[in-house]
Amino acid sequence: DGGITQSPKYLFRKEGQNVTLSCEQNLNHDAMYWYRQDPGQGLRLIYYSQIVNDFQKGDIAEGYSVSREKKESFPLTVTSAQKNPTAFYLCASSIQSPGPQHFGDGTRLSIL
Amino acid sequence: EDQVTQSPEALRLQEGESSSLNCSYTVSGLRGLFWYRQDPGKGPEFLFTLYSAGEEKEKERLKATLTKKESFLHITAPKPEDSATYLCAVQDNNNDMRFGAGTRLTVKP
Repeated sequence: DGGITQSPKYLFRKEGQNVTLSCEQNLNHDAMYWYRQDPGQGLRLIYYSQIVNDFQKGDIAEGYSVSREKKESFPLTVTSAQKNPTAFYLCASSIQSPGPQHFGDGTRLSIL
Repeated sequence: EDQVTQSPEALRLQEGESSSLNCSYTVSGLRGLFWYRQDPGKGPEFLFTLYSAGEEKEKERLKATLTKKESFLHITAPKPEDSATYLCAVQDNNNDMRFGAGTRLTVKP
């Protein structure tokens, strides 16, 4: 079955540490996205990529970085510069824009 | 800036008690309005896309409608398994997607 796989499901970060969240899709979608979800708020866009080796900042990119070396993969690094990283992180992809996005099951990041 | 507001924040229904969820929006040129269902600890699951005012989509007990300023998700005779958070999102002419905060629906047996 095609879909989006996010790993790990739970992740803990220590002070000053960078952590990387994995997102892999086998839907052959060109566009991929990273969102952050906090209680009581809508999903907020961190980064997106329409094509391999190209990505753009979203609304809240500060303290995060991404890469898009392969069509299937779009990892997100939460750097130590992100002072409030505790949240539920969602990766999505779409076949084209405009159009619906398909989501993975998220990674919950917490601070140790 | 595009805005999406969902109401109510939370809704509790008895099984079989029909109701509607609201998504009001302001957007610079609507390319599409999307409804998703999200279960706790999971990613959103796509339900419907609406592209123009007057359009309607149905799936089982759910029916989505669209006007120029808002969309409704009507739930007919809900069952406990319909309990979830329902998210609305709009995509504008720049292909930017904006999500609402969601409505948390609980259906009691």
